Amino acid sequence: GEEVAQTPKHLVRGEGQKAKLYCAPIKGHSYVFWYQQVLKNEFKFLISFQNENVFDETGMPKERFSAKCLPNSPCSLEIQATKLEDSTVYFCASSQSRQGGMNTEAFFGQGTRLTVV
Amino acid sequence: TQLLEQSPQFLSIQEGENLTVYCNSSSVFSSLQWYRQEPGEGPVLLVTVVTGGEVKKLKRLTFQFGDARKDSSLHITAAQPGDTGLYLCAGSPTGNQFYFGTGTSLTVIP
Repeated sequence: GEEVAQTPKHLVRGEGQKAKLYCAPIKGHSYVFWYQQVLKNEFKFLISFQNENVFDETGMPKERFSAKCLPNSPCSLEIQATKLEDSTVYFCASSQSRQGGMNTEAFFGQGTRLTVV
Repeated sequence: TQLLEQSPQFLSIQEGENLTVYCNSSSVFSSLQWYRQEPGEGPVLLVTVVTGGEVKKLKRLTFQFGDARKDSSLHITAAQPGDTGLYLCAGSPTGNQFYFGTGTSLTVIP
């Protein structure tokens, strides 16, 4: 597609339940990034993929969070046993590749607002 | 400590006024991007600056990249209520992820 598509737009989960967020990158983009927007302004990096391979996972919490980008499927971010503190907006972005690595511009989806109650 | 510091953090001005937002770092970036985010939406890319000293104009918005490629500024002339939003600079010094600035929340009062 011509834009990054994130689903669902809103997700409500009871504490302890699983949450799964999806992201379809722009067609032809090789890199996918996941961010949490915390404290209204701060974008906290979680993980990035180059195609289906993990590119950088330095921001991923060690427990409960996992992510995948499989061929011919939307990328996903899964949170096991959600906690109240996981409530925030999660953004996905994609970027083209260029010679030597990823492109310098990222295009964002509209985000998924996760509310854990 | 944030890699990219923006100032001011909040800005509330009257329609028609001019303003400048700054994005500073101690690191060198091969390029910097500026995004605007409106409530309930994802950040939208406004511009990318690549060359040290580069100036780019987008209607009433003027973007500048510092000569040393460690800082950038966004100047808005004759601000309008439609300019209201969160402005973010971003860059990728490592090539592995994008780092975002601390953000500047702009409100333009009609």
